[in-house]
Amino acid sequence: EAGVVQSPRYKIIEKKQPVAFWCNPISGHNTLYWYRQNLGQGPELLIRYENEEAVDDSQLPKDRFSAERLKGVDSTLKIQPAELGDSAVYLCASSPYTLISSYNEQFFGPGTRLTVL
Amino acid sequence: GQQLNQSPQSMFIQEGEDVSMNCTSSSIFNTWLWYKQDPGEGPVLLIALYKAGELTSNGRLTAQFGITRKDSFLNISASIPSDVGIYFCAGHGISGNTPLVFGKGTRLSVIA
Repeated sequence: EAGVVQSPRYKIIEKKQPVAFWCNPISGHNTLYWYRQNLGQGPELLIRYENEEAVDDSQLPKDRFSAERLKGVDSTLKIQPAELGDSAVYLCASSPYTLISSYNEQFFGPGTRLTVL
Repeated sequence: GQQLNQSPQSMFIQEGEDVSMNCTSSSIFNTWLWYKQDPGEGPVLLIALYKAGELTSNGRLTAQFGITRKDSFLNISASIPSDVGIYFCAGHGISGNTPLVFGKGTRLSVIA
């Protein structure tokens, strides 16, 4: 079974430029997560989707970040315009379903390493 | 927001030695998880703990969910070179659907 696929793996851009990351979750997983991982830190949640609905985007900086999951399968995370502080690894994860009182394992993709110059 | 304090930040050990790392929180967690991240990859789940006091093993790895629900530890016995990587603790708070919170990681280096 294929894992979570992310592209590109690396991206270098100049500040103020736009950038987009793509994620294809594991087939059948209806929950999709975008995380940001700064150097030397653990991942931090940006947004969580249940199918095509964003159910938790409280940590997404909405002035410059946007995300979509139009058909409830793959997803795109966009930054426009990028700032120097956006340099980080952007991880996508998926899980099969979400129960309020239980934990369902999140499977992570390899991430996209973004460098903003 | 909830924060996890993970220690140590880094460890250098000889192959064959045992390793212990821990994680503490200022608030109660319902679930404790331990992940390992290799360079250029995403975290991979090692052990999940769901009940206070629970002790769970996965091969040479053993983890426990603290009785107070505010801490957890991970032990690795008889370390081998492929244990090298960054180990993260993570947890879910007591409110339903709270996001997964990660510690800052413990970087493990194994000297052959």
